[in-house]
Amino acid sequence: EDQVTQSPEALRLQEGESSSLNCSYTVSGLRGLFWYRQDPGKGPEFLFTLYSAGEEKEKERLKATLTKKESFLHITAPKPEDSATYLCAVRPAKGGSEKLVFGKGTKLTVNP
Amino acid sequence: DAGVIQSPRHEVTEMGQEVTLRCKPISGHDYLFWYRQTMMRGLELLIYFNNNVPIDDSGMPEDRFSAKMPNASFSTLKIQPSEPRDSAVYFCASREMNYGYTFGSGTRLTVV
Repeated sequence: EDQVTQSPEALRLQEGESSSLNCSYTVSGLRGLFWYRQDPGKGPEFLFTLYSAGEEKEKERLKATLTKKESFLHITAPKPEDSATYLCAVRPAKGGSEKLVFGKGTKLTVNP
Repeated sequence: DAGVIQSPRHEVTEMGQEVTLRCKPISGHDYLFWYRQTMMRGLELLIYFNNNVPIDDSGMPEDRFSAKMPNASFSTLKIQPSEPRDSAVYFCASREMNYGYTFGSGTRLTVV
């Protein structure tokens, strides 16, 4: 069964304190790993898609990396506005499905 | 573009009543997805459509749930009869082939 596990469940950082979020996955072939940001009361907002091991993508203070079993979302010198829940999802290759399988997320709080 | 539009934003209903959630996808997107989000289970796919045709409804919990997409610009998710355990946030998302998934702001459903 396709599964995504994110850790930690919650993370508190001081402004400027860099850290990483983890997304471990087991999937029947990978056709993309997705990172989303979700603010309270809103829908998930797309951040990145990674397709193959070794791939990296960056956006402002965020960098996503991918290996064959996990992905990391690195946050460099975070600001309070980076506080949100970060969701990881995989798109399995089996059957050519377009569904995304999501982890439960990491709730990040950045204190000023 | 106004993004994916969902209505209503909030719905409170009594157990046993029929509930209809509505979604307008982004124009030109040929896939539409319905997800449900709860604290316990996170985001789970209920059903998705391609060019208005249901492709995978394996996530629909039971016969009380039904979804339709009568045309490219409108979809509904109906629950009849509703139960307290159906309380959750329901998200609609759409995507264009080979591009990212865009989520709406969700409908928060409370069944009392």
